[in-house]
Amino acid sequence: AQSVTQLGSHVSVSEGALVLLRCNYSSSVPPYLFWYVQYPNQGLQLLLKYTSAATLVKGINGFEAEFKKSETSFHLTKPSAHMSDAAEYFCAVSFNIQGAQKLVFGQGTRLTINP
Amino acid sequence: ETGVTQSPTHLIKTRGQQVTLRCSSQSGHNTVSWYQQALGQGPQFIFQYYREEENGRGNFPPRFSGLQFPNYSSELNVNALELDDSALYLCASGTRAPTSYNEQFFGPGTRLTVL
Repeated sequence: AQSVTQLGSHVSVSEGALVLLRCNYSSSVPPYLFWYVQYPNQGLQLLLKYTSAATLVKGINGFEAEFKKSETSFHLTKPSAHMSDAAEYFCAVSFNIQGAQKLVFGQGTRLTINP
Repeated sequence: ETGVTQSPTHLIKTRGQQVTLRCSSQSGHNTVSWYQQALGQGPQFIFQYYREEENGRGNFPPRFSGLQFPNYSSELNVNALELDDSALYLCASGTRAPTSYNEQFFGPGTRLTVL
């Protein structure tokens, strides 16, 4: 069965520092993997996705993630944090159930940026 | 902006009541999925509709039901509300991809509080 584990429910970094949010997945088939961001009182916005092309995926707002099959990981990084990056981040894996496309999300990581 | 809208933004109901949440999908999208996001959790897949029929369901009881209309609108109905139904309900629209992946676009959500 497909599942996602996000390590660390809260991450705090200083403005300008490296952001690293960890995600490990479990999937019986080659996965489609995603990172979403959720700002307070808003829905989910897609940051980036891995769909079996390049293993290093670049997304919006300077974020990128690397798919590592041997480690079953898809960690999200950004070289330099900005105050506007403060939000909740969700890693997700997609699979098809009965022909429907289902996203399975991790528990989320709340990112706080310190000035 | 994803072009997916939801109404109402907030809703308060009492235990045992019934509720209807609405979603307007992007033009051209033929699937709509509903997710429940409890406080501090990642979204959980409720079900997906395709061509006005349920097409895959997560681990939710039958008192959660839906409708999809030809005009790109859809509804989530929940009967006999329980306290644990308090959550943010997200809809996501997309196009059907039974063996691969097509991006789903999320609305801003409806926050339901059950007292």
